[in-house]
Amino acid sequence: DAKTTQPPSMDCAEGRAANLPCNHSTISGNEYVYWYRQIHSQGPQYIIHGLKNNETNEMASLIITEDRKSSTLILPHATLRDTAVYYCIVRVMSGGSNYKLTFGKGTLLTVNP
Amino acid sequence: EPEVTQTPSHQVTQMGQEVILRCVPISNHLYFYWYRQILGQKVEFLVSFYNNEISEKSEIFDDQFSVERPDGSNFTLKIRSTKLEDSAMYFCASISGGVTDTQYFGPGTRLTVL
Repeated sequence: DAKTTQPPSMDCAEGRAANLPCNHSTISGNEYVYWYRQIHSQGPQYIIHGLKNNETNEMASLIITEDRKSSTLILPHATLRDTAVYYCIVRVMSGGSNYKLTFGKGTLLTVNP
Repeated sequence: EPEVTQTPSHQVTQMGQEVILRCVPISNHLYFYWYRQILGQKVEFLVSFYNNEISEKSEIFDDQFSVERPDGSNFTLKIRSTKLEDSAMYFCASISGGVTDTQYFGPGTRLTVL
């Protein structure tokens, strides 16, 4: 699976949008971009994933550049409860659905009041 | 919303003792996983399990570890003779089986080996 690069930490004011970048310059055509987060040693929580197109769900939006070498996770109105480590993971979509996730160090997002 | 559950939330054991960590995956899920996270470090894959057998395991998953699905609902991780370095959070995860399926994680078991 392609390697990802994320800033180690970011701050965001409560109520503002949090934009978390991820670089995956070696991503290949059959790799999806997944985002998970981990709140204070709890189990990782799925947020969103995408292949080429931008995606939005009730939690966040995912913007993938046209060349797919980077992406941005957007939390539109960050709250204090969004303080967590955010992981950007790319993985191959091939074969069956049995796959392992390879976590990096992620970005610690701190939402400030 | 269905969720993965794990018991116990915290397990304290003496070095050399056997421990069994338990997980109840989401009911219609077919693939099951264990990950661990040593304090302050990354989440690491241990093993994946499908159709009552291991599909993939990491270098961490040595002979001291085993997994089992003893019935239709539970999925267990056994560590035969615990070491100090086994102290970590252990997370269970499961997926249903679609191509773009996502892994859902349990809350974890904190294992402390003294």
